[in-house]
Amino acid sequence: GQQVMQIPQYQHVQEGEDFTTYCNSSTTLSNIQWYKQRPGGHPVFLIQLVKSGEVKKQKRLTFQFGEAKKNSSLHITATQTTDVGTYFCARATDSWGKLQFGAGTQVVVTP
Amino acid sequence: DGGITQSPKYLFRKEGQNVTLSCEQNLNHDAMYWYRQDPGQGLRLIYYSQIVNDFQKGDIAEGYSVSREKKESFPLTVTSAQKNPTAFYLCASGPRRVNEKLFFGSGTQLSVL
Repeated sequence: GQQVMQIPQYQHVQEGEDFTTYCNSSTTLSNIQWYKQRPGGHPVFLIQLVKSGEVKKQKRLTFQFGEAKKNSSLHITATQTTDVGTYFCARATDSWGKLQFGAGTQVVVTP
Repeated sequence: DGGITQSPKYLFRKEGQNVTLSCEQNLNHDAMYWYRQDPGQGLRLIYYSQIVNDFQKGDIAEGYSVSREKKESFPLTVTSAQKNPTAFYLCASGPRRVNEKLFFGSGTQLSVL
């Protein structure tokens, strides 16, 4: 079925470095949401993108929605140990808020 | 405080046994969801309910059952028909509208003895 694909599945980053994780779909997305799950924790909502080409920033995190609304990216600058966790993107699959999640990008930060 | 409460945090199942995972929310959300998380596989939807007394199968409903008798509660039963139940189970809730975020409980880790 239609899915959102996340790459990479695993990201090992040195503290202070930048990195980007991507979320891709073969079909046009009505929206894309990003969640973060800390090790041993539960997913927590980060942000939602709805408009074509939309860019939103949260401190060191920059979220982007592609012009064609088929892909999204999360860019983290100057990675810190607090950025450790798995980042999921999710797409709406109906008009009532049901979400389909990608497999996630697991981020490990080395001091 | 408003939120979603899952219990127990850890659960062990014996062969042939049914077990029930609890999920309660006081956020006044119409919609509730059960996801299963296996390492490296993200979140897969088991069942969801968008209104009281109604629920729908998700992508991996076989071996599971649910009920939604109250708005606040959405328990998940893992039946003996589920041959590989070891996983982390997450309950979530949200308003029954698109473009709304989901709120997750802290999860239940189910293991087989």
